[in-house]
Amino acid sequence: GQNIDQPTEMTATEGAIVQINCTYQTSGFNGLFWYQQHAGEAPTFLSYNVLDGLEEKGRFSSFLSRSKGYSYLLLKELQMKDSASYLCAVRGPMDSNYQLIWGAGTKLIIKP
Amino acid sequence: DVKVTQSSRYLVKRTGEKVFLECVQDMDHENMFWYRQDPGLGLRLIYFSYDVKMKEKGDIPEGYSVSREKKERFSLILESASTNQTSMYLCASSFVSRGLAGQTQYFGPGTRLLVL
Repeated sequence: GQNIDQPTEMTATEGAIVQINCTYQTSGFNGLFWYQQHAGEAPTFLSYNVLDGLEEKGRFSSFLSRSKGYSYLLLKELQMKDSASYLCAVRGPMDSNYQLIWGAGTKLIIKP
Repeated sequence: DVKVTQSSRYLVKRTGEKVFLECVQDMDHENMFWYRQDPGLGLRLIYFSYDVKMKEKGDIPEGYSVSREKKERFSLILESASTNQTSMYLCASSFVSRGLAGQTQYFGPGTRLLVL
């Protein structure tokens, strides 16, 4: 079966660092996406990993290990505006038309 | 900037009504998608389209249909709305022709539908 697991909710302090994990079990793999979604708004693209390793983009970094079926999103120097849900999605194989399989999202609460 | 717009942010309908949700994108994307988002669940794909007049069923197509008469517009139709279709509906679009890395999906603001 297809399964994406993320923690339901996390809390962190303004200025700190937080790591949001995502584990996946899918029948095929063609890349992993992270999206940010503020309450009541559209998901917006954060990062895409297809090879193992760390991709850094400003305060946000995303890591992938294909052999472990594992990714994390690292947020540094947390700001109040980072309070949002973070969605992990895996792109499936060609015979699924490369459809995205989505995790339920991790709600991140930032406290002052 | 990619822009995906949806016809309504909030909609209240009665059971049995026919409901139309429209989505328009301005980036000449080939792919368009309709998802629903419910608390505690990941986004679930209802239908997608990779070209004008083409459509493919997603994971939960029952009770829905779609129409794509023009490249920029993708409509979701609830033939006879039911209370279990109360949800947030998200439209997205992406390229086909730029390789997998270029197929990032861009989302509209969503339509929150309440069926009474």
